[in-house]
Amino acid sequence: AQSVTQLDSHVSVSEGTPVLLRCNYSSSYSPSLFWYVQHPNKGLQLLLKYTSAATLVKGINGFEAEFKKSETSFHLTKPSAHMSDAAEYFCVVSRDQGGKLIFGQGTELSVKP
Amino acid sequence: KAGVTQTPRYLIKTRGQQVTLSCSPISGHRSVSWYQQTPGQGLQFLFEYFSETQRNKGNFPGRFSGRQFSNSRSEMNVSTLELGDSALYLCASSLRLGGKNEQYFGPGTRLTVT
Repeated sequence: AQSVTQLDSHVSVSEGTPVLLRCNYSSSYSPSLFWYVQHPNKGLQLLLKYTSAATLVKGINGFEAEFKKSETSFHLTKPSAHMSDAAEYFCVVSRDQGGKLIFGQGTELSVKP
Repeated sequence: KAGVTQTPRYLIKTRGQQVTLSCSPISGHRSVSWYQQTPGQGLQFLFEYFSETQRNKGNFPGRFSGRQFSNSRSEMNVSTLELGDSALYLCASSLRLGGKNEQYFGPGTRLTVT
């Protein structure tokens, strides 16, 4: 069975400081991992994905994530937060067979001026 | 290229009624998936369609059903609505079936059951 745990339900940072959103996964298959972002009253936007190529994945808007198999982690980072980054972020795992996405509970990111 | 579109965006229904939601995928995408988002349960997978066939199904009662047409557009139907069906229903499209493929989400349909 597959599952994903987002370790923080809420993260607050100041504008210009680094962002770290933590995610651990569990999968009996070789997983595909994604990060999605959801702004208020909007759908989900794909930030980045990992599918067993490079372990450091670069995404849109300056975000990146590192796949660490030994730690079963896929943490999302950004060097410098912007006010527009305030949103809810979801870590997602998927099987190779079938398109079912399994979502974490989400981390709400607040950015203070 | 136009994104995933969902209609209607907002819907208010009464308990016991039924509802049909529509999703038009990105042009060329053949896989459509549906998800339910609620504050308590988060995002949960409903079902996935590819080439007009349901390929995967989540753990929802039979009141939730769907279909896909030859142009890849999809509809989702919920019969005998319950208060707990109030949620944001999200549709996602993908080029092909399979977990490695990126899924692109629409803005969702906000369903309120009174």
